[in-house]
Amino acid sequence: GENVEQHPSTLSVQEGDSAVIKCTYSDSASNYFPWYKQELGKGPQLIIDIRSNVGEKKDQRIAVTLNKTAKHFSLHITETQPEDSAVYFCAGEGSSYKLIFGSGTRLLVRP
Amino acid sequence: NAGVMQNPRHLVRRRGQEARLRCSPMKGHSHVYWYRQLPEEGLKFMVYLQKENIIDESGMPKERFSAEFPKEGPSILRIQQVVRGDSAAYFCASSMGFQETQYFGPGTRLLVL
Repeated sequence: GENVEQHPSTLSVQEGDSAVIKCTYSDSASNYFPWYKQELGKGPQLIIDIRSNVGEKKDQRIAVTLNKTAKHFSLHITETQPEDSAVYFCAGEGSSYKLIFGSGTRLLVRP
Repeated sequence: NAGVMQNPRHLVRRRGQEARLRCSPMKGHSHVYWYRQLPEEGLKFMVYLQKENIIDESGMPKERFSAEFPKEGPSILRIQQVVRGDSAAYFCASSMGFQETQYFGPGTRLLVL
């Protein structure tokens, strides 16, 4: 079946350090992998996405890497700031283009 | 350009009542997805609709739940005879087309007493 696993479930880092969140997926046909940030009481906000024809994508302090052979992808946040504190979700594209979400990572950036 | 809009933002219902959740997609978007999020969990797909068509409803419970996206007006997720287990946040997302980026609304938080 379609499944996305995400680790760790919680992550605490010092301001200025890097944070890495990892996901694995089961459906080898998946070609699209977005990352969403969700703040308390709000809807998920897209922060970066990657398609299977590229291995890495970067946008300022945020980068995503994709390994299709191993079926895993990762989010990297550098120079973390307190406002990066939120829950982050990875997702993979399932059948009929629906998104299959990971269980989320609660990131805390300590000032 | 307004984002995805959902209303109401909060909805309280007693067991056995009906809940109607509305979603207006972003301007120019004709594809709508509904997801459910239980407390401290990820989002689970429910249904995918295009105007007047249900594309995929594999995540919808077989009973009490229905969804529509009429030619005119918002998409509606309807839950009949609600039970306490229906309490969750329901999110709508929209996209321009197949395989396009999905943008999420702020959600409707349903509480069943």
